[in-house]
Amino acid sequence: ELKVEQNPLFLSMQEGKNYTIYCNYSTTSDRLYWYRQDPGKSLESLFVLLSNGAVKQEGRLMASLDTKARLSTLHITAAVHDLSATYFCAVGTNFGNEKLTFGTGTRLTIIP
Amino acid sequence: EAGVVQSPRYKIIEKKQPVAFWCNPISGHNTLYWYLQNLGQGPELLIRYENEEAVDDSQLPKDRFSAERLKGVDSTLKIQPAELGDSAVYLCASSTQGGLEQYFGPGTRLTVT
Repeated sequence: ELKVEQNPLFLSMQEGKNYTIYCNYSTTSDRLYWYRQDPGKSLESLFVLLSNGAVKQEGRLMASLDTKARLSTLHITAAVHDLSATYFCAVGTNFGNEKLTFGTGTRLTIIP
Repeated sequence: EAGVVQSPRYKIIEKKQPVAFWCNPISGHNTLYWYLQNLGQGPELLIRYENEEAVDDSQLPKDRFSAERLKGVDSTLKIQPAELGDSAVYLCASSTQGGLEQYFGPGTRLTVT
């Protein structure tokens, strides 16, 4: 059974600081997705990483994928309050009939 | 372009009652997914459709849950009878056939009392 673990589960950080969320998974895959979810809202796609060494950046967020280590990271640079949300990683399997297995999420709170 | 539409957004029912959720995927998306999201957890796949065919329903509790996608567009997920433990958010997502990225609807928050 595929396991997807995120850490930390909860993160409270000050505005302006940098931090990293980690996503470890237990099976071979070269497809990793990051989603954002605001309270009471649905999931918003942030990044799709499709190969070993893939790196994508959007604003203050940067995601990377190391398929050999089965690890993806989501790095937050100079955090601002608007980034407060829950972030999920999901591993894709069964290429061509993509199946996503989600982590438990990291609840991020940015403190002014 | 309209996103994935779900209704109702909220539903409160008593245990043992039936309930149904409706989903309209993004136009042109052949693949439709139903997910269950418990509080504080990530979504878990219940069932996936390719057009009108359910191609992965291994996680669907078939004793009380059923789903249909009769014309390969809209889909309905039903629970009968509902139990207290079914309280959760039910998310619908869609993608192009063979597509990697899934687009999620706003979800239906079910409360069973």
